[in-house]
Amino acid sequence: EVQLVESGGGFVQPGGSLRLLCAASGFTLSSFAMSWVRQTPGKGLEWVSTISATGGSTYYADSVKGRFTISRDTSKNTLYLQMNSLRAEDTALYYCAKDGLWLNGNFDYWGQGSLVNVSS
Amino acid sequence: QSALTQPPSASGSLGQSVTISCTGTSSDIGGYNYVSWFQQHPGKAPKLMIYEVTKRPSGVPDRFSGSKSGNTASLTVSGLQADDEAHYYCSSYGGYNNLVFGGGTELTVL
Repeated sequence: EVQLVESGGGFVQPGGSLRLLCAASGFTLSSFAMSWVRQTPGKGLEWVSTISATGGSTYYADSVKGRFTISRDTSKNTLYLQMNSLRAEDTALYYCAKDGLWLNGNFDYWGQGSLVNVSS
Repeated sequence: QSALTQPPSASGSLGQSVTISCTGTSSDIGGYNYVSWFQQHPGKAPKLMIYEVTKRPSGVPDRFSGSKSGNTASLTVSGLQADDEAHYYCSSYGGYNNLVFGGGTELTVL
């Protein structure tokens, strides 16, 4: 059974950093592209970042480019999102999602989400 | 990249059909056949209902169907059931390694 479990969220002051983790089971990370998608409380979904199935390519939304870094550890089957220089507008529920072979939005499995709250 | 445009709300009676639109541009919906639709119940993670415009994942009822014409994609839910009441979001590959979502539509089953 495919499962995605996020962790690492919490409260942080503006300018601070957090690292989100997404532990995958039931499939191999290296076989699929993986993405982070966030949702502001009561609002819609926003794509944040994707790492390709090979791990050789990473993609970012303009709103996080230069501040966030997506990576993975295939030995731990875990996806990461390092978030630096956090802003109030980064406050959201962050989901990891399994995609197809590349970034195409075929998010067939989602985690339960990890809440990030950026506030002074 | 601008978000795709969805109506904020839609409604239909039990057993009837409803169609939700998702409008983009030639740079996203009109340029690629990578449109997905997600259903989200309150407090739950989104669930993939349609991918690559018309395809249904295993386990999704055939009451759900997708289509595209030009820069607009549509999700049709036939034979509305109470459990179909949820928020629905569309997404599209937007070129240049970018993905864009719609703002979401709240579907009410009357």
